[in-house]
Amino acid sequence: NAGVTQTPKFRVLKTGQSMTLLCAQDMNHEYMYWYRQDPGMGLRLIHYSVGEGTTAKGEVPDGYNVSRLKKQNFLLGLESAAPSQTSVYFCASSYSSVDTQYFGPGTRLTVL
Amino acid sequence: SQKIEQNSEALNIQEGKTATLTCNYTNYSPAYLQWYRQDPGRGPVFLLLIRENEKEKRKERLKVTFDTTLKQSLFHITASQPADSATYLCALVTGANNLFFGTGTRLTVIP
Repeated sequence: NAGVTQTPKFRVLKTGQSMTLLCAQDMNHEYMYWYRQDPGMGLRLIHYSVGEGTTAKGEVPDGYNVSRLKKQNFLLGLESAAPSQTSVYFCASSYSSVDTQYFGPGTRLTVL
Repeated sequence: SQKIEQNSEALNIQEGKTATLTCNYTNYSPAYLQWYRQDPGRGPVFLLLIRENEKEKRKERLKVTFDTTLKQSLFHITASQPADSATYLCALVTGANNLFFGTGTRLTVIP
């Protein structure tokens, strides 16, 4: 099993550009999450999904959109990137809301 | 406001000693508390979970305590090794099933 994979691993964007980060899991987990990690701020939840076709806002959702069209995939979109969105983005999945979360390797995004 | 504090940003300890990391929280009522390990350039990896009605949990050289009165969890690594060097994150799971992470403590075990 690959676990949780994320693409791409690195990306540089200019302000105003758009992009989509892809997260895939092969553990048949219902729950999937997108976090951002910034120095001194810890991991902060952007959006999450409790099942195929559902999404919900986390702690810092502004400027991001998500979709969960298939159970194994969770997409994070930035419609108009801003320098404040420079961060490392982690995807995670879990069987239930209180279970262990399995994290992907992260995507390092720089917005110039 | 809600806050999760991990005792220090960095902790250095001699190999073989016990490392103790602290997680304090305010204005949360966690149902569970989890500890994760994160190595540079990688995602966090789950280590232990402790429920609000449990005082202590052990796994090999790891021990976690949870004191809901003090609003504190302690994470111990006994007989520490250089391979234990990493950042350790605590995370609270509230009754609303949200997970909130602390900022982490970077542990360095010196040979």
